Amino acid sequence: GAGVSQSPSNKVTEKGKDVELRCDPISGHTALYWYRQSLGQGLEFLIYFQGNSAPDKSGLPSDRFSAERTGGSVSTLTIQRTQQEDSAVYLCASSLNFGLRVDRETQYFGPGTRLLVL
Amino acid sequence: AQTVTQSQPEMSVQEAETVTLSCTYDTSESDYYLFWYKQPPSRQMILVIRQEAYKQQNATENRFSVNFQKAAKSFSLKISDSQLGDAAMYFCAYRSISNFGNEKLTFGTGTRLTIIP
Repeated sequence: GAGVSQSPSNKVTEKGKDVELRCDPISGHTALYWYRQSLGQGLEFLIYFQGNSAPDKSGLPSDRFSAERTGGSVSTLTIQRTQQEDSAVYLCASSLNFGLRVDRETQYFGPGTRLLVL
Repeated sequence: AQTVTQSQPEMSVQEAETVTLSCTYDTSESDYYLFWYKQPPSRQMILVIRQEAYKQQNATENRFSVNFQKAAKSFSLKISDSQLGDAAMYFCAYRSISNFGNEKLTFGTGTRLTIIP
């Protein structure tokens, strides 16, 4: 597709359940980012992938959060044993990060997944 | 660590008028990127404009322009001829120029812009 896509659009789960959020970046973008947007914390960085490796995972809030990227493309963010404070919008972005295009560092965002933990 | 401050939680402007949104940042780096993103109720973050710190010329994109004051660490967004479709949350963001582990965006807290018909 032309843009970053994320699924599901909305997810309601019960406290203690595991959830998986998916991100499909723009074709050819080598870098992928996950952010969390919540009322109390604003926009927070979670993790960054360059290819399939994660040079920066400093924003993951706890060991209940993990992410992987396969084939240099799709990424999955997994939250285990969800808590009510995990309720937020999870945004994914991608960027080229190489080459001569002037916008290679610009991050393009998906529509987000709204997670509600009951 | 870099910080980004948006001191105006809410702003409003009459349709067709001009409005300026403020952003200041703190960094010890000499080169970096600055961005303004727009987030309408649909939740999609949309890039409005970008500025490279090493460029002295202010970026412009149609009705959107910035006033980049590097010494003052200020990066304001001016919207001319405001339109109803400009109503959204606007976020200022900072990115290090380094490509070795510093690629994340640091965001301000946002300014909610209302357009009055």
